[in-house]
Amino acid sequence: AQKVTQAQTEISVVEKEDVTLDCVYETRDTTYYLFWYKQPPSGELVFLIRRNSFDEQNEISGRYSWNFQKSTSSFNFTITASQVVDSAVYFCALSERSYNTDKLIFGTGTRLQVFP
Amino acid sequence: DSGVTQTPKHLITATGQRVTLRCSPRSGDLSVYWYQQSLDQGLQFLIQYYNGEERAKGNILERFSAQQFPDLHSELNLSSLELGDSALYFCASSVGTVYNEQFFGPGTRLTVL
Repeated sequence: AQKVTQAQTEISVVEKEDVTLDCVYETRDTTYYLFWYKQPPSGELVFLIRRNSFDEQNEISGRYSWNFQKSTSSFNFTITASQVVDSAVYFCALSERSYNTDKLIFGTGTRLQVFP
Repeated sequence: DSGVTQTPKHLITATGQRVTLRCSPRSGDLSVYWYQQSLDQGLQFLIQYYNGEERAKGNILERFSAQQFPDLHSELNLSSLELGDSALYFCASSVGTVYNEQFFGPGTRLTVL
């Protein structure tokens, strides 16, 4: 079955530290997409990135970077020089698509607390 | 602001009651997804509509139903409410399939007393 594992339940860092959030997935699909979402204390879910299964290039966006490794079924997220505003719950998600399903499977989330 | 709107923001009701949650997708998006977020179950997919038709079903209870109207807004109906239905209900929209990024609304927090 499709599955997303975020083994880190909670991470605490001090501002300016780098932090990596782990995401490991399981899928039978050859074509799939992986996503990261941020849920700040206000509660909304904010889209961060989408990556397809055929593109293993790392992505960098400002202080955020993502490392996709098909060989280890991982899609890890690194925040460089963390800031207090990065405090949130981060979710990794995997697409599942077939003739009768079309949905995202979310991990349980990692709560990141960044202290000043 | 994702462009997805949900009303109401908060809803407090009693067991046994029925409520309707409303969602308006981003302009141009044809797909609407409904999710339930609770402390014990995490984020769970409920149901998806694409251009007015039901496309996929997840862990949606029989007491729950949804529809998408011709103007593409969607409603999630929850009936015979139980304490365990208390959760945050999100609507998300995308241009097409689950391969496209989904943009989430602010959610409706439902409290069943």
